Amino acid sequence: DTEVTQTPKHLVMGMTNKKSLKCEQHMGHRAMYWYKQKAKKPPELMFVYSYEKLSINESVPSRFSPECPNSSLLNLHLHALQPEDSALYLCASSQGRWRKHTGELFFGEGSRLTVL
Amino acid sequence: AQTVTQSQPEMSVQEAETVTLSCTYDTSESDYYLFWYKQPPSRQMILVIRQEAYKQQNATENRFSVNFQKAAKSFSLKISDSQLGDAAMYFCASVGNSGNTPLVFGKGTRLSVIA
Repeated sequence: DTEVTQTPKHLVMGMTNKKSLKCEQHMGHRAMYWYKQKAKKPPELMFVYSYEKLSINESVPSRFSPECPNSSLLNLHLHALQPEDSALYLCASSQGRWRKHTGELFFGEGSRLTVL
Repeated sequence: AQTVTQSQPEMSVQEAETVTLSCTYDTSESDYYLFWYKQPPSRQMILVIRQEAYKQQNATENRFSVNFQKAAKSFSLKISDSQLGDAAMYFCASVGNSGNTPLVFGKGTRLSVIA
């Protein structure tokens, strides 16, 4: 059973749409992550939240907007995306501050995004 | 800075046989962690095994073991008695203990298990 839950599992959107991806964990982890993964490629880090504060933004375009409403939830708001943004978006969490974690990440199953 | 290199894009193994996946890394950190993550076709990535660089003893988790060669900066994964459920993408990853950089993944090795 996955302990990091992502919704929706699949999302199709047009370039003018606004949508959101959601992630939830109840393990008490205080660091949460968004990764983007293209087919047959490793995950690419997008954002890191540590104690609900944005700690890392890996030069991600502003059409991706993260939000961490509380320690259990992480959202990724999508607006005016491009077809090349189509990918699997993975959420992950880890114990403690991200700078002090031992590298063990707990991943969700991902949200498969298709931009038309 | 950290880099992780997996030189085998694809591997295959017969069921019940043993296979070794290769990984080399480079890091400027004096203390660091190394990992193998597995991503089956269902997509959820899970941790297979973790090695702390200051520990000389190779980590083992049931059928999974590593060969950690610190001087050579090599960290290979051995899967014994391969099972059909082992078929997946395997990512080698590294993170330094300084906390200055997040986890770095290699490009992955796709493992097929032949019945």
